[in-house]
Amino acid sequence: EAGVAQSPRYKIIEKRQSVAFWCNPISGHATLYWYQQILGQGPKLLIQFQNNGVVDDSQLPKDRFSAERLKGVDSTLKIQPAKLEDSAVYLCASSNRRRGSEEKLFFGSGTQLSVL
Amino acid sequence: AQSVTQLDSQVPVFEEAPVELRCNYSSSVSVYLFWYVQYPNQGLQLLLKYLSGSTLVKGINGFEAEFNKSQTSFHLRKPSVHISDTAEYFCAVSPNTGGFKTIFGAGTRLFVKA
Repeated sequence: EAGVAQSPRYKIIEKRQSVAFWCNPISGHATLYWYQQILGQGPKLLIQFQNNGVVDDSQLPKDRFSAERLKGVDSTLKIQPAKLEDSAVYLCASSNRRRGSEEKLFFGSGTQLSVL
Repeated sequence: AQSVTQLDSQVPVFEEAPVELRCNYSSSVSVYLFWYVQYPNQGLQLLLKYLSGSTLVKGINGFEAEFNKSQTSFHLRKPSVHISDTAEYFCAVSPNTGGFKTIFGAGTRLFVKA
């Protein structure tokens, strides 16, 4: 089966500019996550979608970050305006967990963002 | 809420030596436990998982982990490492009652030397 697709693979922008990342999860996966992985740290959950609804966005800096999953499939994550500390790899993951079973996450290769 | 602590940020080891990567967690509810591996320039992939039953779980590439409920630990072990095991290893927890949220530790970089 096809994996989680993310684009672009790399992005370099200047601070205060805007940037958007795209994710196409594995077909049929209802749950989609965006994680931020700063160099030397573990992935930090930014937002979790169940179909097209937000389940958890408690750690999303909402003054500059936004995400949507309008049709319950693809998702976009946007940063506007970007700050230097936003430099990180942005990982998208999906799962098809059902209640009563365990969750196995499938990760994309990530988008490496450098803010100069 | 859950949290994960990986006690070592870096573990250097010689090829064919045994290795243990330590992970402790805290949670107010029962959890599933996972180890993920991230090879250089690749995405995260699942190494092994503990759901229930036997506390010793085996994963891919000869890795195994043991769940210790009393010590809230889930340490990862391999009896003999290879150069190709050089990677970043992440311990993760997920509540087994709703929420579905997976929380990761900060990671341990395993560096295998010849």
